[in-house]
Amino acid sequence: AQKITQTQPGMFVQEKEAVTLDCTYDTSDPSYGLFWYKQPSSGEMIFLIYQGSYDQQNATEGRYSLNFQKARKSANLVISASQLGDSAMYFCAMREEGRDDKIIFGKGTRLHILP
Amino acid sequence: GAGVSQSPRYKVAKRGQDVALRCDPISGHVSLFWYQQALGQGPEFLTYFQNEAQLDKSGLPSDRFFAERPEGSVSTLKIQRTQQEDSAVYLCASSLALGRENTGELFFGEGSRLTVL
Repeated sequence: AQKITQTQPGMFVQEKEAVTLDCTYDTSDPSYGLFWYKQPSSGEMIFLIYQGSYDQQNATEGRYSLNFQKARKSANLVISASQLGDSAMYFCAMREEGRDDKIIFGKGTRLHILP
Repeated sequence: GAGVSQSPRYKVAKRGQDVALRCDPISGHVSLFWYQQALGQGPEFLTYFQNEAQLDKSGLPSDRFFAERPEGSVSTLKIQRTQQEDSAVYLCASSLALGRENTGELFFGEGSRLTVL
């Protein structure tokens, strides 16, 4: 069974609009971490943001914020004021810290920002 | 170097050949991961080391795949008798040990693109 589910294979968003990328996860481990990575067409993997399962507040990093809804096992990435350079693949990932700490990724969402 | 270094960046192999992909992690990073990424897909977990110990190799697709990290630093992913379905980008990533002061996020190399003819 998929542990990380990203239901949007592709999205088109107008420049300057906000965009939400969906991520749901499945774990019985009470201690886990959630990550978002960006992969532009150049192929590099860029770390964006992290949320720990015990963090009381939603994580924010500049234009990126994570809408963490623990009961729903949801960790959506919100990008405010999108820019053309935000066009890329976005991956949600999870580390189950009570297990062996391996990090697994979702299948990704390809985001296209339109001028 | 400052980042994770992978070599070769590109490898073309004939079906049946053996290949070895090298990863040099960031100095001081105890954790090292290998992923396989097919075109347009997410990284698929292959194996994970903490120092020299291989803690999880559940993602290795067959016994043709083997990874090692003998001194807890450089790692090598070896694929024996390559098949066309092995064609992919192989990503290596390293991280600090998870702790109070860090998230344990992964730092990725640029990947090794393997094409099996």
